[in-house]
Amino acid sequence: DQQVKQNSPSLSVQEGRISILNCDYTNSMFDYFLWYKKYPAEGPTFLISISSIKDKNEDGRFTVFLNKSAKHLSLHIVPSQPGDSAVYFCAASASRFGGGNKLTFGTGTQLKVEL
Amino acid sequence: EPEVTQTPSHQVTQMGQEVILRCVPISNHLYFYWYRQILGQKVEFLVSFYNNEISEKSEIFDDQFSVERPDGSNFTLKIRSTKLEDSAMYFCASSESGDRVPIFGQGTRLTVV
Repeated sequence: DQQVKQNSPSLSVQEGRISILNCDYTNSMFDYFLWYKKYPAEGPTFLISISSIKDKNEDGRFTVFLNKSAKHLSLHIVPSQPGDSAVYFCAASASRFGGGNKLTFGTGTQLKVEL
Repeated sequence: EPEVTQTPSHQVTQMGQEVILRCVPISNHLYFYWYRQILGQKVEFLVSFYNNEISEKSEIFDDQFSVERPDGSNFTLKIRSTKLEDSAMYFCASSESGDRVPIFGQGTRLTVV
């Protein structure tokens, strides 16, 4: 049951360049999308989110784009820094407004930012 | 910055034994969650808890699992009779309300031998 898919298990980018992480979903009921970053032996750390009523949300170096018709979202990191090296999880929720925030996660993309 | 705290960080238990994983959510949060991540797999939702009762649970959360908020600060996950396949990282999370982003703890690594 892969309702949220991250098809690239890994991505390598040079420091200073743009990192683009992709995520696809199948469930039309999803109305809220989040990106979490995870370092080894730590819990997921929230990065940025977007509601289905928007197509872009920006926070500093991080921008998330949502294409509802394609059921696709992407996370852009500009400029990429070595400290950004981590596993990035896309997550989706169909209960944004009440009922608790059950998240469905993708399998993650390991980002490596090289000097 | 407020954080979700989980103890222990690593628990080793024998198959068939009961384990209790503990979490202290952020103090003004009202919604609590447990997720797990089996090695190499995705993070999976187990259960959400609000107002002293389960609000939603996944098919993974069978009769072997239970959750409790025994006092005003702790939130626990009990596995009654552990199986080898219960070995995973278990993450507790909490949120201010049902439409707020869940904040995750650092996780408890459960190893069933």
